[in-house]
Amino acid sequence: NAGVMQNPRHLVRRRGQEARLRCSPMKGHSHVYWYRQLPEEGLKFMVYLQKENIIDESGMPKERFSAEFPKEGPSILRIQQVVRGDSAAYFCASSPLARAPFMNTEAFFGQGTRLTVV
Amino acid sequence: LAKTTQPISMDSYEGQEVNITCSHNNIATNDYITWYQQFPSQGPRFIIQGYKTKVTNEVASLFIPADRKSSTLSLPRVSLSDTAVYYCLVGGAMRFGAGTRLTVKP
Repeated sequence: NAGVMQNPRHLVRRRGQEARLRCSPMKGHSHVYWYRQLPEEGLKFMVYLQKENIIDESGMPKERFSAEFPKEGPSILRIQQVVRGDSAAYFCASSPLARAPFMNTEAFFGQGTRLTVV
Repeated sequence: LAKTTQPISMDSYEGQEVNITCSHNNIATNDYITWYQQFPSQGPRFIIQGYKTKVTNEVASLFIPADRKSSTLSLPRVSLSDTAVYYCLVGGAMRFGAGTRLTVKP
């Protein structure tokens, strides 16, 4: 059973371009989380999705960022018109069960995509 | 969401036991406590989860006092490969704080 796959591992974009980050969850997992991490900092929650639904997007910037998790295919984090401040590592995690209010279902993380905006 | 507080960093030496404490004063009655480990340039990895008293697995032990306002992750006989950032999470929100950066020295 392959783990969570993220691609590309490294992505370089010029300011103003679009960045598309892909996350293929583990087989059987229908819940995906996206995080952003700056060097030497913790993971900042961005969005929590179930297939075809956004459950919690409270951590997503209001503009330029969007996420989806279609019925078929990987989850996509899309950043439009990238700026230098978007440079970071972006991690996704998947879990087989819905997040309970009081309990974490063990989530499995990918290796991350390192986005560099030049 | 319950706020968590952990030391920013800790140093240890190979072979020692390391205890990392997390404070979560406003933990809700039903909240579980979960710990993750993150190595450099990798995604976090689930270590252990508990609700009260003590939980032990092949990697670590988790001690939770009766009032549940704190928890302690215990790593027995650490090695250099345990150098990582350790995160304490409370409840189901999957929110990570800054974590504790553990450095194990030879």
